[in-house]
Order: sequence, then structure tokens, then C-alpha cells
Amino acid sequence: DQQVKQNSPSLSVQEGRISILNCDYTNSMFDYFLWYKKYPAEGPTFLISISSIKDKNEDGRFTVFLNKSAKHLSLHIVPSQPGDSAVYFCAAGRGSNYKLTFGKGTLLTVNP
Amino acid sequence: ETGVTQTPRHLVMGMTNKKSLKCEQHLGHNAMYWYKQSAKKPLELMFVYSLEERVENNSVPSRFSPECPNSSHLFLHLHTLQPEDSALYLCASSQDSGLPYEQYFGPGTRLTVT
Repeated sequence: DQQVKQNSPSLSVQEGRISILNCDYTNSMFDYFLWYKKYPAEGPTFLISISSIKDKNEDGRFTVFLNKSAKHLSLHIVPSQPGDSAVYFCAAGRGSNYKLTFGKGTLLTVNP
Repeated sequence: ETGVTQTPRHLVMGMTNKKSLKCEQHLGHNAMYWYKQSAKKPLELMFVYSLEERVENNSVPSRFSPECPNSSHLFLHLHTLQPEDSALYLCASSQDSGLPYEQYFGPGTRLTVT
């Protein structure tokens, strides 16, 4: 039973355009959400996070939106750059529990 | 540079071998984690150590044995593994007093069991 789902295994975007990566979750107890980026042969790198008390968090070109009623979050990258090409993982946490539940990831390719 | 290093980066072992994976974090964190990433599956949490005490053991078979001698080092001892244990093993660390969610990962050890 996957509690965090990334339904798009891959996404291809033109350089300069917006990339939108989506994530759905089923557990309403999750109160913290994160996005990680992973390049080949490297571990995941923390990118941006959002608490359930907010609906938006922005950091430079990266914005995460949270829709609690729909149990949906998205990561927007504007403008997309070729160096953003990587696998993006959505993850969720609950309370002070250490456990993060990850999605399977979406491979983003940004074409020059 | 993530501040979390793992050795070896690649490991091939037979089912009767005993080997260990090593993780070291240079971030001053006090919680450390082992994750497993199999092909086409999400990252799966295996173990969590906080202040050198194991706080989570996620129903992992006993052929995987973790050890945390201090807050900077974490080991995963492997013995009598099965081919289905072949995967990428990732170590992570976080600061216990802050948001434990913001975990910082090492590059992983690619393990192949033959």
C-alpha cells in the first residue's frame, strides 16, 4: 500500500519553461512534506520542504504547493535548466516520527 | 559535497560471505539512518539510530545487522544475503533536535549478491 505516489515516472520539458512535478498522498496524518533531487551515482539531495500549516513555500526557482484537501503537492521549477535533469522524490513525514515515506520518483529531463 | 560518506561505493558478494557497509557523517548530526532502494521501488527505511540508540527497526531480516558506535559512524553488517538483497543502500543523517525529516544522504553503496 503506497502512501506516497508519484504517478508520472518521467517528464520532459524544454529549457526555460516550467516543470511541474506532482505527488499524491493517502495518509492524512502526514504533516511535513519534502522534495529530494537525485543525480545518477549520488544520494538524494534535500531540495525544499513544506509544513502542513502552509500551502506554499518558495526557494529561488523552486516552489512547492500543498493542497491538503486533495492530499496533493506539487513542485514547480521556473525556469527549468538542463542541470535540473534528475530524479525527483516526494517524501512525507508525521509528527516527530523519524520515518519518511518516499514516492518512487519522477525522472525530469530538461532539454536545451 | 553532502557531508555524508559511504564506503565501499560498489560491492559484489556471494551468499555465504560476510561484509560490512560503512557510513560517516561530518555534519554534527545525532540521528543516522539506513535505507534500501531496490529497482522500481521507493526508498525503504531499514533502521534509525538516535543518539547511538536504535529507535526504529523496520521489520528487516536478521541477516542485516546495524551498528552505531558513535553519532558520526554507522555500519551495516551483512551475512548470508540473498540475491533479492541486491540494491542500493543509502545512509542518511539528521539533527534530532530540529526537524528529523530533513535528512542528508550519502552517495550509497551498490550491492550485488551473486
